[in-house]
Amino acid sequence: DAKTTQPTSMDCAEGRAANLPCNHSTISGNEYVYWYRQIHSQGPQYIIHGLKNNETNEMASLIITEDRKSSTLILPHATLRDTAVYYCIVRVASMDTGRRALTFGSGTRLQVQP
Amino acid sequence: DAGVTQSPTHLIKTRGQQVTLRCSPKSGHDTVSWYQQALGQGPQFIFQYYEEEERQRGNFPDRFSGHQFPNYSSELNVNALLLGDSALYLCASSFGGRGRHYGYTFGSGTRLTVV
Repeated sequence: DAKTTQPTSMDCAEGRAANLPCNHSTISGNEYVYWYRQIHSQGPQYIIHGLKNNETNEMASLIITEDRKSSTLILPHATLRDTAVYYCIVRVASMDTGRRALTFGSGTRLQVQP
Repeated sequence: DAGVTQSPTHLIKTRGQQVTLRCSPKSGHDTVSWYQQALGQGPQFIFQYYEEEERQRGNFPDRFSGHQFPNYSSELNVNALLLGDSALYLCASSFGGRGRHYGYTFGSGTRLTVV
């Protein structure tokens, strides 16, 4: 799985959009970008994943650059409950993806300010 | 629909003792993975079980062992506990069916403190 680089920490004002960047310059054509977050004292929570098209769900949007070397997770209207560590993970999605281990980095600590 | 449940939530053990942590996967999931998370770090993969066998293993010593039962639940055993084993132990379940790639569902973890 390709390595990812994320800022250590970020702040965001409540009600504003939070944009969390991730660099994955060595990503290969069959690797997906996954995002998880971990709220204090809880297990990581799946947010979203994508291959090359932008993706949106009820939690967030994922914007992947055309060359796929970087991506941005967007929380459109951040709330205090979005304060968490956000992990960007790149991994191959194959027939047995549900059985391949996740490799977590250090993530980005997002602090939403009131 | 219950998610992943882990027990106990907190545990204090003495150095040299043995510990067993338990995990029940989300309904419909057949694969269980265990992760160790030290304070301030991301989770580290320990091993993964499906079809009652260990299928993948991370860089952890043999003191860490596990088991999966026919109902897909799992146990993590750690022998000869060291102070450095103090961490949050996370269980994650997933479905390993062919042709799909779902996200993992994590439990809230067991906080193990070794004194």
